[in-house]
Amino acid sequence: DTAVSQTPKYLVTQMGNDKSIKCEQNLGHDTMYWYKQDSKKFLKIMFSYNNKELIINETVPNRFSPKSPDKAHLNLHINSLELGDSAVYFCASSRDGSYNEQFFGPGTRLTVL
Amino acid sequence: GENVEQHPSTLSVQEGDSAVIKCTYSDSASNYFPWYKQELGKRPQLIIDIRSNVGEKKDQRIAVTLNKTAKHFSLHITETQPEDSAVYFCAAPKEGYQKVTFGTGTKLQVIP
Repeated sequence: DTAVSQTPKYLVTQMGNDKSIKCEQNLGHDTMYWYKQDSKKFLKIMFSYNNKELIINETVPNRFSPKSPDKAHLNLHINSLELGDSAVYFCASSRDGSYNEQFFGPGTRLTVL
Repeated sequence: GENVEQHPSTLSVQEGDSAVIKCTYSDSASNYFPWYKQELGKRPQLIIDIRSNVGEKKDQRIAVTLNKTAKHFSLHITETQPEDSAVYFCAAPKEGYQKVTFGTGTKLQVIP
């Protein structure tokens, strides 16, 4: 059983397009996150949600809009894609906040042409 | 905000040797210190963590040590094997904020 899943695994698109990445966890966790990993492998938090409520928004451009329809899902919508958005995006979840193990999804490799 | 510095950025060791990676954090209120391993093309996965009520924790060939006074913690891998080759990240979560600041990563290469 996959604990944290993301779709799609790869996304190749043109500049200016809008795209979405979906994330689901079946661990019953309360907290979910989106991370961006750039080409230098730096792992930076973008958003965190606790029980469907936005907790952290780390100065991410407002072209990025997370949406949590329920505790088990945290989707990421990106408007007007730019070249600099190319990266691997990881969804993660943890039980009761950041002081517990984070379980990562497999990642979505986004390439903007 | 929390600052987490990780060194070295790359590390090459001969198979069988030990590897040590160090992280320094800035927030003295931090009490939980995990280490994640990310193999090429894979997701980060927790390999060991420590809470501030202990100074050292060991799991087979992997150990983590914590010095709260100096605000640093280290990952020790003994008897390294080629499958230990990966990028390792430390992290310093901020309790109550649902935020995790990761270190900049260490690319470990174990040479057979």
